[in-house]
Amino acid sequence: KNQVEQSPQSLIILEGKNCTLQCNYTVSPFSNLRWYKQDTGRGPVSLTIMTFSENTKSNGRYTATLDADTKQSSLHITASQLSDSASYICGAGSYQLTFGKGTKLSVIP
Amino acid sequence: NAGVTQTPKFQVLKTGQSMTLQCAQDMNHNSMYWYRQDPGMGLRLIYYSASEGTTDKGEVPNGYNVSRLNKREFSLRLESAAPSQTSVYFCASSEGQGRLETQYFGPGTRLLVL
Repeated sequence: KNQVEQSPQSLIILEGKNCTLQCNYTVSPFSNLRWYKQDTGRGPVSLTIMTFSENTKSNGRYTATLDADTKQSSLHITASQLSDSASYICGAGSYQLTFGKGTKLSVIP
Repeated sequence: NAGVTQTPKFQVLKTGQSMTLQCAQDMNHNSMYWYRQDPGMGLRLIYYSASEGTTDKGEVPNGYNVSRLNKREFSLRLESAAPSQTSVYFCASSEGQGRLETQYFGPGTRLLVL
């Protein structure tokens, strides 16, 4: 059964600090891994899409890494802002994706 | 350019009632999707339409039907709603159905079945 596990479940950090979110996946077939940001009460917004051959991809202050050998990905947020408070969702698969439950990030002043 | 729009935003149904969730996109995308998102669970694909005129089942299609009305519109129908269908429903679209296509999500429809 395809599974995507995200950790931590929730995280609180001070504004300006960095943080890293984790995603472990057991998905077949696998060709790409995605990170989404979902604000409360809104739809997910795509942050990064990586193929199995890519190791890292950046989108502004967001940097995703992928290790296809260990089936792990991380999302690093640099110099956090209050507007980064949201749920971050990892999805893995090929044409169809399996999604994790998300990590809820709270950035406090 | 509104992106992906969904109606209604909220709906309360009684068990056994039927309803149709509407979705439209103005990005000239070929592919459209319906997902559900439940507390403590990830997004799950219900149905998708790779292109106008085609629809296919996703991970959790039971209890739902879809219609790709035209290139812009993709509707999801619940024929006889059940409490287990209480969820937030998201429509998404992408330019194609390629493995690296970005999916753009709508704001969601929050459905409560009593």
